[in-house]
Amino acid sequence: QVHLEESGPGLVKPSQTLSLTCNVSGGSISSGDYFWSWIRQYPEKSLEWVGYILSNGNTYYNPSLMSRMTISKDTSKNQFSLKLTSVTAADTAIYFCARASGGLGEFYAFWGRGTLVTVSS
Amino acid sequence: EIVMTQSPATLSVSPGERVALSCRASQSVSVNLAWYQQKPGQAPRLLIYGASLRATGIPARFSGSGSGTEFTLSISILQSEDFAVYYCQQYNHWPRTFGQGTKVEIK
Repeated sequence: QVHLEESGPGLVKPSQTLSLTCNVSGGSISSGDYFWSWIRQYPEKSLEWVGYILSNGNTYYNPSLMSRMTISKDTSKNQFSLKLTSVTAADTAIYFCARASGGLGEFYAFWGRGTLVTVSS
Repeated sequence: EIVMTQSPATLSVSPGERVALSCRASQSVSVNLAWYQQKPGQAPRLLIYGASLRATGIPARFSGSGSGTEFTLSISILQSEDFAVYYCQQYNHWPRTFGQGTKVEIK
């Protein structure tokens, strides 16, 4: 059973870079037809798909965030990361990492617990 | 971007009742639709994928139906643990999008 866990600063200042890491256990991020994803949930509870990185390293980003974000992976540590630059208060959210199986479709059976990131000075 | 609209926003029901939650897509998403349940302080939990297929371990009282732009999540006999927020998600178009959620609360 795959397990995902987010880590990173809970407070980021406006205009700075948000950096989060998702540690994966119970499965390799370099194998299989999987989509290693970031999804965020705003304080009012709406969910936004942020983007993902495939096992082969290809990435897909939400167009609304594409100019500010990067998703990368470190296969030696079996983890993947999100960087979001020039953050504002609008980026305050709970950030989840999750895994979708490409073969059946991009729905999310496995999620981390989520980490709250607040953007504030 | 595909807009997913869920209704109602809140549903007040009693345990033992049957409920039907609606999700409408602004364009056809075929059957590429999933439903999730979320309880306070937890991540969403996958219930249904492919519009009507139950995920592993999901009780049979949960069922999904629909295709194209109209979808329904039904809970046949509401249990106390089913009071939560339910979200739909389409994975047919980029970017993937979620509905705003329906809260099922105790009447």
